[in-house]
Amino acid sequence: KQEVTQIPAALSVPEGENLVLNCSFTDSAIYNLQWFRQDPGKGLTSLLLIQSSQREQTSGRLNASLDKSSGRSTLYIAASQPGDSATYLCAGSGSRSNDYKLSFGAGTTVTVRA
Amino acid sequence: EAGVAQSPRYKIIEKRQSVAFWCNPISGHATLYWYQQILGQGPKLLIQFQNNGVVDDSQLPKDRFSAERLKGVDSTLKIQPAKLEDSAVYLCASSLTGQWDGRVTEAFFGQGTRLTVV
Repeated sequence: KQEVTQIPAALSVPEGENLVLNCSFTDSAIYNLQWFRQDPGKGLTSLLLIQSSQREQTSGRLNASLDKSSGRSTLYIAASQPGDSATYLCAGSGSRSNDYKLSFGAGTTVTVRA
Repeated sequence: EAGVAQSPRYKIIEKRQSVAFWCNPISGHATLYWYQQILGQGPKLLIQFQNNGVVDDSQLPKDRFSAERLKGVDSTLKIQPAKLEDSAVYLCASSLTGQWDGRVTEAFFGQGTRLTVV
């Protein structure tokens, strides 16, 4: 079973600073790793998905890397804006299973100060 | 493309009452998931369907929770009787496939149903 940990639980930065969010997982034979954004009272919005054969994915100001050997993924958000304030969740699935089951971390709550 | 639809958005019930949540996945998505998210925690998988069959319900409290997916499309999650600790957001998600066949199986989530048990 895939165990996912996110540290820190909360992060506050001034506008314009780059954000670095960390995610660690226990099963290095990971199939997919997905980053989500969750706004208060809302569902999850998929940001980036990295397949096991990939090392990173980029979308606009977002870049996510995957290092299976160390069991880590990092989400970078460049030039943060107040609108980036949200909770960011990572989720991974282990490849030994035939099923795509996401195991989530508890998330990192980000506040970008104007 | 329409997203995952859930209803209701909010529900307040007294303990020992029953409640039902509805989910309509993205058209064509074979796999449907129900997750429970308690405040301050990450979502926890309750049940996973592949078409209309159950793939994993190992974390579903079967003495009070039940779920069905009729005709492999819409799904309903029911709680009867509800307990105070069932207060949470119930998230439905769907993906094109849950099988490891090399295809990317990105999961898409609905807005969730916030349940408060008093």
